Amino acid sequence: EIVLTQSPGTLSLSPGERATLSCRASQSVSSSYLAWYQQKPGQAPRLLIYGASSRATGIPDRFSGSGSGTDFTLTISRLEPEDFAVYYCQQYGSSPLGTFGQGTKLEIK
Amino acid sequence: EVQLVESGGGLVQPGGSLRLSCAASGFTFSSYAMHWVRQAPGKGLEYVSAISSNGGSTYYANSVKGRFTISRDNSKNTLYLQMGSLRAEDMAVYYCARVVVIGYYYSYNDYWGQGTLVTVSS
Repeated sequence: EIVLTQSPGTLSLSPGERATLSCRASQSVSSSYLAWYQQKPGQAPRLLIYGASSRATGIPDRFSGSGSGTDFTLTISRLEPEDFAVYYCQQYGSSPLGTFGQGTKLEIK
Repeated sequence: EVQLVESGGGLVQPGGSLRLSCAASGFTFSSYAMHWVRQAPGKGLEYVSAISSNGGSTYYANSVKGRFTISRDNSKNTLYLQMGSLRAEDMAVYYCARVVVIGYYYSYNDYWGQGTLVTVSS
């Protein structure tokens, strides 16, 4: 089973700043089969990025994904107040049940 | 508009059973594989089970294998999760989620329900 480790656990930033979230896999993720989700308190996760770098429908272009192999990054270029949430990476393709990272909480500084 | 609406959660004693439902609308339900994903209070996300579009293939996390059964009724556009021998560690919000299948691979989830809370306590 591929284990995903996200860092940092908590990221404290101010609106307007740039956020960089990391997701590292225990083994190579084939075909960049990696997704990112955003979850706000009391809400379901929302798909942001799939295929490591493709934005889902309706996702603002301040969100971008990059990486391959074992190292992936979600970047939010200029934080808006509504971007403060928990972010999860997820790998797929190795099993019908993929795996999630433990999450990164992005909080207002 | 794609909608997934879970129901059936509630309080159950350890060792008890519960059936969750997920009503789908706004898309051709029978064309999509589906996942159940859970989230324990204050914790991260965990895949519980998956089912193919026609219901012919099912998959389970080791933590629920032999205790949970996933099924679907494509005539009713509804997904189910029959949960048995419930334990304290099964307490969580359970989400149903639509699966995007790429070739033969179950990939990411593009739509999620709002979740239903299962509480296991005596």
